[in-house]
Amino acid sequence: DSGVTQTPKHLITATGQRVTLRCSPRSGDLSVYWYQQSLDQGLQFLIQYYNGEERAKGNILERFSAQQFPDLHSELNLSSLELGDSALYFCASSVSGQSSYNEQFFGPGTRLTVL
Amino acid sequence: AQSVTQLGSHVSVSEGALVLLRCNYSSSVPPYLFWYVQYPNQGLQLLLKYTSAATLVKGINDFEAEFKKSETSFHLTKPSAHMSDAAEYFCAVTGQGAQKLVFGQGTRLTINP
Repeated sequence: DSGVTQTPKHLITATGQRVTLRCSPRSGDLSVYWYQQSLDQGLQFLIQYYNGEERAKGNILERFSAQQFPDLHSELNLSSLELGDSALYFCASSVSGQSSYNEQFFGPGTRLTVL
Repeated sequence: AQSVTQLGSHVSVSEGALVLLRCNYSSSVPPYLFWYVQYPNQGLQLLLKYTSAATLVKGINDFEAEFKKSETSFHLTKPSAHMSDAAEYFCAVTGQGAQKLVFGQGTRLTINP
């Protein structure tokens, strides 16, 4: 158990819908990262938040957005869903927003299926 | 820009045999390199990381990796495979000033009895 929790574990929805994925980082970790894992794209970085502020952005679609709240939990919002958005979405956390060598601890993931 | 190439999407070895999973990286800055393991229906777990302190890095479960700058490689090895090592393995890179992990495509390790 990494200490990172993600809900829900599974999500099945239809095209055009909007969903929210939730992540609670390990106690004491200030950085939260979101990654998408799909068969065709592999594991890709989406976005990072540090202590409530956006720190880095990767291959995140405009239909996707995220935020980190004062209690440090984070939410990833996916809207106007398409079949291609079906994937496993991981949240990770690390203690720092500065050091590139800090370990990132991964949650169990949310499996999103868009029908 | 940084990238990682894992040679071989699928590796199969016999129980007790040497495990060798290959990773080559490309980085415009001194890299930090990581190996993560993903068991079925689970998240990623860190096996080991290279942060420039020592070129031979030892990790959990008897895995180790050697950083070779001249070959831009960070191959993962284990002297004797166990059935419990069957999983997907990911090599990843970050660099100074960038915290996002850039992953390779992964290598699925199968252990034959």
